[in-house]
Amino acid sequence: DTEVTQTPKHLVMGMTNKKSLKCEQHMGHRAMYWYKQKAKKPPELMFVYSYEKLSINESVPSRFSPECPNSSLLNLHLHALQPEDSALYLCASSQVQSNEKLFFGSGTQLSVL
Amino acid sequence: QKEVEQNSGPLSVPEGAIASLNCTYSDRGSQSFFWYRQYSGKSPELIMFIYSNGDKEDGRFTAQLNKASQYVSLLIRDSQPSDSATYLCAVKPPGGYQKVTFGTGTKLQVIP
Repeated sequence: DTEVTQTPKHLVMGMTNKKSLKCEQHMGHRAMYWYKQKAKKPPELMFVYSYEKLSINESVPSRFSPECPNSSLLNLHLHALQPEDSALYLCASSQVQSNEKLFFGSGTQLSVL
Repeated sequence: QKEVEQNSGPLSVPEGAIASLNCTYSDRGSQSFFWYRQYSGKSPELIMFIYSNGDKEDGRFTAQLNKASQYVSLLIRDSQPSDSATYLCAVKPPGGYQKVTFGTGTKLQVIP
């Protein structure tokens, strides 16, 4: 199984809403990532979890709150987002060795109204 | 600043031709290089990776790496309309499994 599963595929939320994005992988990967991608731009790294511990936070605003409940699951909690946060949110996973490849989920297309 | 540069395109090639996509990177210590294909509105899909100087072939795809010139390329032989997508070059620094630097991508259009 070489799949990273993300839910939901689409999400529309208001600026006062609280929502969560979910990601699951069963490849035994111990590194999991959240990326944000705006149209016609490359993915931008937000967070990295390594062995279920947050190892990188790329100065992401606190309205984004990641969580890694176990080695297979990764969540991104959203609260009080702004319209400029509308983007494709991508989860990825990899082994933790330096040459290992990133595998992306199908993404959540988020629209903030 | 560490950078990965690609021509944004679009690169237009006729069906059946060879498409050549190029990428240069600034961190001389980079060790791992990846090509992702991304269809509009979809997530990136890994299609090739290369770690050593030279060529690596997989079906219609060939990745070429020249570390001395800090240059990596992707050749697509017998291009098909289904190859029309944006191709992202990605580079990992030494020891840095966590941070990948992506190029801005090259949009490829294969004309039937």
